[in-house]
Amino acid sequence: QLLESGGALVQPGGSLRLSCSASGFSFSDYAMTWVRQAPGKGLEWVSLIYNSGSQYYAASVKGRFSISRDNSKNTVYLQMNSLRAEDTAIYYCAKDRYASGQGWFDPWGQGTLVTVSS
Amino acid sequence: SYDLTQPLSVSVALGQTARITCGGDYIGSRNVHWYQRRPGQAPVLVIYNDNNRPSGIPERVSGSNSGNTATLTISRAQVGDEAEYYCQVWDSTSVVFGGGTKLTVL
Repeated sequence: QLLESGGALVQPGGSLRLSCSASGFSFSDYAMTWVRQAPGKGLEWVSLIYNSGSQYYAASVKGRFSISRDNSKNTVYLQMNSLRAEDTAIYYCAKDRYASGQGWFDPWGQGTLVTVSS
Repeated sequence: SYDLTQPLSVSVALGQTARITCGGDYIGSRNVHWYQRRPGQAPVLVIYNDNNRPSGIPERVSGSNSGNTATLTISRAQVGDEAEYYCQVWDSTSVVFGGGTKLTVL
C-alpha cells in the first residue's frame, strides 16, 4: 500500500528527493510520516505532514529536509538537501492513524536506501 | 525532549513469556505504540494505544502501560517472534521512538 522510491548514492552536500506512493486508502484523509533507520541503529523519526499540509521535523533534519504531499497523486515527498554521512539510512514512509498526527503508524512501506558518501 | 528507554536485548526460552519494557517519565499518561521489525523487513505495528492489537496480530501479544513503564508481553514465544521491538509515543508535535530491543528466542 506504500511504495517508496528515490533512494540512491549521493555525495556529502548533495540533494535527493524521496517519493512514497500510496494506494488502498483515502490518502488525503491522513497524516503521513518519514522514519529512518541508520546501519546498526534504531528507528528515528524524521518528519510528518498533516493532511492539511502542516509540516513537522526532527531537530536533526530541520532546515535541511522538506516534506510535502500531492493529494492528487497520492504521494508524499521528502526533499533532502545538504546531505551528511549521518543521513545514510533506510527511509520508510508510513501512514498515521489520524489526519493531524498523534496516532500510530500503519502501514509502513518497504523502505528506500539513501547512502551519503564520497 | 522526551526520552524512552528500552533494554538492548531480551532473551526467552521457546514457549515461555518475554517481556520488553519501555521506560519514560509518567509514560502511563501517554499512548504507547509498539512495532516489530524483523531483519530485512519493514516495521509492523503490533500494539497501539497501550494494549490494542491490530487485526492479524495473535492474542499472545499484549501490552500494558502504567506509571513510568510500558510493557510488551509475548506469551508462548516462537522462533518467528525474533525481531527488534520499538515503543513509540508523541511528545507535543514530535514523534519519539525507544532505542529498540532485540528479542532472541532460545
